Order: sequence, then C-alpha cells, then structure tokens
Amino acid sequence: SLVLTQTPSVSVAPGKTASLTCGGDNIGSKSVHWYQHKPGQAPLLVIYYNSDRPSGIPDRISGSKSGNTATLTISRIEAGDEADYYCQVWDYNADIVIFGGGTKLTVL
Amino acid sequence: QVQLQESGPGLVKSSQTLSLTCSVSGGSIRSGDYYWTWIRQPPGRGLEWIGYIFYSGSTYYNPSLKSRLTISIDTSRSQFSLKLSSVTVADTAVYRCARLLAFCGGECGYFQYWGQGALVTVSS
Repeated sequence: SLVLTQTPSVSVAPGKTASLTCGGDNIGSKSVHWYQHKPGQAPLLVIYYNSDRPSGIPDRISGSKSGNTATLTISRIEAGDEADYYCQVWDYNADIVIFGGGTKLTVL
Repeated sequence: QVQLQESGPGLVKSSQTLSLTCSVSGGSIRSGDYYWTWIRQPPGRGLEWIGYIFYSGSTYYNPSLKSRLTISIDTSRSQFSLKLSSVTVADTAVYRCARLLAFCGGECGYFQYWGQGALVTVSS
C-alpha cells in the first residue's frame, strides 16, 4: 500500500524559507494535503489539493507537486511556524487515508 | 462553525475495550458529503488513520486494526463512536475525531475540522 515519506526534522532560521517534502509511489495521481500540528492543538489544514490554501492561511505557505514528490514551502519563517507538519493522501479506491510520518520544523 | 468533541474514559486496562464518542455540532452528520473519521497519535509518534463511517453506517477500517475495531453512528444524537477491543499499551494515544470531505464533485479527501483530542492511556 501507499507509503508517504517525510524528512523527520528540518531547522530553519527566522526570515528564511523552509521546504518540506513528501514522497510516495504514485502520489502523482493523487491530491496531497498538508496539516500544521502544534502541541496540545488540533491539526490545522494549511494546504489542500496540492497547492490550494484554506481561507485564513497566509500566502507565505504554499504547496506544489512534481512527479511523486509534494513540497510544502514556508517563506519568511516566523517563530509561530514551529510545529509538526504532516502530508496526507486519500486513496478513495481502497478507502484508505494515509499520513506521512511528519516533519518537525524547528525555528532556530 | 462545525465542532467535534471527543468523550470517553481516559484510562483503560489492558485486554479491555476502549470506547470513545464524538459529538458533532454546527453541521449535519447526515450530510452525504463527508466521512466521519477517527485518527490517533501515540506519544511521540505521527498520525494514524483508524477508520471512518458514512452517515448510512457504511464503515471502512485501517487493515491493521480491522479485527479489533467497530465504528458506529447515531444520527439522531449527531454522534459517532469508536470501540477498540483487546487493547494493549501500544494503543495508548491521543484519539481524535475529524470530518473528511469525501464528495465534492472531484477528488477531495481532506480534513477541515478536527476535535481537540482525547488522551487514552492503556494500563498494564
């Protein structure tokens, strides 16, 4: 079954850009969604359909996909961006939801 | 604004059954656009999809949990529930309910609304 692979941790200085990747066989044919998860809070949808932003999500956060790799890019990093980020795919043919292992973003 | 709230015991003994309920407000649980979903996160680990249920009662489970899992729905109470039997300490986790947008005229499949989560500890 589909496995989504994320880099476990990424560290970025304030004001810089973070690129978080999510790879998996055949995700090129599926929509990838991204969540920001801070301790003690519910996960927050930040990107859906690979690159769309829900209302209220700043345009510093963007998503893209090329082949079998999806990328979440956060520019002009702020301390408040420190969180775990998860990618997610819905395999509607198999009726299975898959999450990546998550990337812990640390702001230096 | 849609809200989901988990409730249930925070401590379960090993080999017993874990039971949680998710109460939905601000939106209809009878909508045919959504799957009502359970997701868990063991301490220090990532998110794991447990399973989901349609308002009609159709269920779809994570294959790794299927033999121990029952998800049910009570549309009259706007609630859906999780039962996980024969639990072990490995089932200790924060359990969250969420709403999956499943039918939108295209490929959907994302979670816009989540509960705050309920920590369930399995004691040995």
